[in-house]
Amino acid sequence: GAGVSQSPSNKVTEKGKDVELRCDPISGHTALYWYRQSLGQGLEFLIYFQGNSAPDKSGLPSDRFSAERTGGSVSTLTIQRTQQEDSAVYLCASSITRIYSTDTQYFGPGTRLTVL
Amino acid sequence: GENVEQHPSTLSVQEGDSAVIKCTYSDSASNYFPWYKQELGKGPQLIIDIRSNVGEKKDQRIAVTLNKTAKHFSLHITETQPEDSAVYFCAAFQGGSYIPTFGRGTSLIVHP
Repeated sequence: GAGVSQSPSNKVTEKGKDVELRCDPISGHTALYWYRQSLGQGLEFLIYFQGNSAPDKSGLPSDRFSAERTGGSVSTLTIQRTQQEDSAVYLCASSITRIYSTDTQYFGPGTRLTVL
Repeated sequence: GENVEQHPSTLSVQEGDSAVIKCTYSDSASNYFPWYKQELGKGPQLIIDIRSNVGEKKDQRIAVTLNKTAKHFSLHITETQPEDSAVYFCAAFQGGSYIPTFGRGTSLIVHP
């Protein structure tokens, strides 16, 4: 079946501009995660959505970052007034998430963001 | 919160050799430990995982061992092949949490 998809695959923007990154999770997956991966670094958790519950935003690095998930499916990560340090690969992952178990996360290919 | 350390950061082996990557974690309540493989330009892909009620798990050439007392878990790849070359990440989930903490990754290079 279809996996997690992300768009665009690459985004180049100028410092100070806003960007929107999109994630389409696997159909039926109730959990959705956003991560940031800087060059040579591990994955940094940003935000977590689970069903209709309020998202866990504890990983967002500043108030310039926000995300929403419409209809429990597609998610958009928005970065306002981009800075050069925002340059990274932004990864989205989804999982089924049963109540009493931690489930496998399936990752998308990522969006490479470059802020000039 | 949880802290995960991964070693080595780079590992170079000859084809056919074994490779071992080790991760340590800080929270004794962590109970789920997945390993991911990330090829260039792609997202991470789960290759094997282990839960805290198991000490070892094997899938063909890949195995993971968990030592809860010492709070470390390791990835073992036997008979390495050039296509095993990638960056490998470990992660730990604290009990009751759906948010993982990742190691910083190991770049594995398998020379033909």
